[in-house]
Amino acid sequence: DIVMTQSPDSLAVSLGERATINCKSSQSVLYSSNNKNYLAWYQQKPGQPPKLLIYWASTRESGVPDRFSGSGSGTDFTLTISSLQAEDVAVYYCQQYYSTPPNTFGPGTKVDIK
Amino acid sequence: QVQLQESGPGLVKPSQTLSLTCTVSGGSISSGSYYWSWIRQPAGKGLEWIGRIYTSGSTNYNPSLKSRVTISVDTSKNQFSLKLSSVTAADTAVYYCARDSGVGGYFDLWGRGTLVTVSS
Repeated sequence: DIVMTQSPDSLAVSLGERATINCKSSQSVLYSSNNKNYLAWYQQKPGQPPKLLIYWASTRESGVPDRFSGSGSGTDFTLTISSLQAEDVAVYYCQQYYSTPPNTFGPGTKVDIK
Repeated sequence: QVQLQESGPGLVKPSQTLSLTCTVSGGSISSGSYYWSWIRQPAGKGLEWIGRIYTSGSTNYNPSLKSRVTISVDTSKNQFSLKLSSVTAADTAVYYCARDSGVGGYFDLWGRGTLVTVSS
C-alpha cells in the first residue's frame, strides 16, 4: 500500500493569512503515461462528511473558492489556503488514487484560527 | 442533484454482521462511469477506504478487510450495500458511502455518514 503522511498535524493561522499543508506519499503517484498526479485533497468540518477540494493534485473542484490551491508532483504535495477565512476551520486530508486497491488517505491536518 | 444516503442499524453485537445500504437519489446509479465506495472513520481518527463496486457488479476491496467484506449493488432500487462480518469494537465508526469518480479514484460525492457502534 502507498502510505500517505501529512505535516503539520495541526496549525493555527490568523484570519487573512496563508495556511500551508504538506502531504507526502511513500512512492510516486505520478503516472508517466498521462503526466497526472493521482492525488486529491478533502476538507472535513465537524459533523460533516469530507468535501472534495482538489483532484489531479491541482485541479479545483467546481464551486471551491480560488483561495484553495494544490501543487506538487511525484511524492510531495502542498495544499495552500491563500487567505484563511473563518469557514476554513476544518481537518484537511490528502488521498492517493494511483495504486488501488486500496485508496489511501493521509492522517489529516487540523486548521484553526490563531 | 445526486445525493447519497446511508441507512442501517446503528448498533451491532460483536461477532455479528454489519449491514448498511446506500440509496442514490436524484440520478441513476448506472449512469456515468462511476464506482460506488464505502469509507469509514472511527471517532476522532482518519479515513479508511473499505471497497467499491461498479454497476456491472465488479468489486475491489481493501486487502486489510477483504476476508470480511461484501459489497453488492441493486440497480433496480438505485442502491448499493455493505456487509462486514465478524465485527469487533474496532469496527465502530462512522460509515460513509461515496461516489468514486471512476476516471481516477477520487471521491466527488459523499453521503452524510451513519454511526455504527459494535457493542453487546
